[in-house]
Amino acid sequence: SYVLTQPPSVSVAPGQTASITCGGYNIGSISVHWYQQRPGQAPVLVVYDDSDRPSGIPERFSGSNSGNTATLTISRVEAGDEADYYCQVWDNSSDHPLFGGGTKLTVL
Amino acid sequence: QVQLVQSGAEVKKPGASVKVSCKASGYTFTSFMIRWVRQAPGQGLEWMGRISPYNGNTKYAQKVQGRVTMTTDTSTSTAYMELRSLRYDDTAVYYCARDLGSSSAWIYWGQGTLVTVSS
Repeated sequence: SYVLTQPPSVSVAPGQTASITCGGYNIGSISVHWYQQRPGQAPVLVVYDDSDRPSGIPERFSGSNSGNTATLTISRVEAGDEADYYCQVWDNSSDHPLFGGGTKLTVL
Repeated sequence: QVQLVQSGAEVKKPGASVKVSCKASGYTFTSFMIRWVRQAPGQGLEWMGRISPYNGNTKYAQKVQGRVTMTTDTSTSTAYMELRSLRYDDTAVYYCARDLGSSSAWIYWGQGTLVTVSS
């Protein structure tokens, strides 16, 4: 079955740019969604269909997807961005959604 | 505004059953699938299944197939997820969610229901 691979952790200083990757075979050919989950809270959609942002999500959050890697980029990182981030795709082979293992973003 | 409000925390013994509810408001309930996902303590998100409130069609994850039943009550716009023969590793926060409509992304989420399996 299809596998999504995320780094367990990413650290970044405030004001810098964080890049969180999601690897999968030929992932560039399918849509990728990204969720932010703060401790004790439900996930929040921050990027969908590779690079679109839901209403209310800051422009600092952006996404790209090509080849075998999708990337969530957070510009001008703030302390409030510290959270777990999950990528999600639709696995056509099993006909159900699939989540990456999650990446913990630490703001130094 | 769209809201999904879930039932409260539950503590169950191994072998028991639990039924979690998810009450929807702010949109036409029968127009969107309800998705269920769970998250064990310190772990990632695990898809459990989905149900169509329009026709009751369901699809379950292989891992819980045979132990899970998802239903809806269109008169109250409420979805239910029942898990039977509970095991210790079913301890998790259970979420319901709805997709965007124009995309498979899940834009609306319930607040989560903690189910603890403990003797």
